[in-house]
Amino acid sequence: DIVLTQSPVTLSLSPGERATLSCRASQSVSGRYLAWYQQKPGQAPSLVIYGASSRATGIPDRFSGSGSGTDFTLTISRLEPEDFAVYYCQQYGGSPLVTFGGGTKVEIK
Amino acid sequence: QLQLQESGPGLVKPSETLSLTCTVSGASISSSSDYWGWIRQPPGKGLEWIGSLSYGVTTYYNPSLKSRVSISVDTTKNQVSLKLSFVSAADSAVYYCAASAPDALYYWGHGTLVTVSS
Repeated sequence: DIVLTQSPVTLSLSPGERATLSCRASQSVSGRYLAWYQQKPGQAPSLVIYGASSRATGIPDRFSGSGSGTDFTLTISRLEPEDFAVYYCQQYGGSPLVTFGGGTKVEIK
Repeated sequence: QLQLQESGPGLVKPSETLSLTCTVSGASISSSSDYWGWIRQPPGKGLEWIGSLSYGVTTYYNPSLKSRVSISVDTTKNQVSLKLSFVSAADSAVYYCAASAPDALYYWGHGTLVTVSS
């Protein structure tokens, strides 16, 4: 089974700071099939990054994704108040077909 | 804009079958997405993929749930359905449906909370 491990579990930062979130896979994942989602309290997740580095529609350019193989990163260059949320990475194509990481909570310091 | 809305009983008794429906609006279900999936999230916890239906024909299920789950589509009603049998308290969660391509889950419903309790 492909396991996605996200770190840190919680990231405490101030608005304007840079956030770097990590997603590590137990086996190699095709970059084409690595996505990131944002989830705010009481809401459904929403797509932020697909294909490891492509921004979803309407996502501002302060969000960027990178990585390949087993190591992937989501970077938020300057945190805005609306960016404080939980972020999940997700892979497709392994076993199980779809798996999610455990999530990283970006909270206001 | 594709919109998804989950519906179904909010309370299910242990050992019974959980049945949920996802109604799709804004486009035909047969042409608006290649994949339709179900994901769940126990209160305060992370996301778990339940399964996906591709091109209205092929189903893929989480091995941990495979023996209990069924996903199907009704194109006449523009709906995707989820059935999970022999539920227990561990199946209590918010259940989401999603429209996806292989690379990501692009559209999500708002989710529906299902509690398993007698």
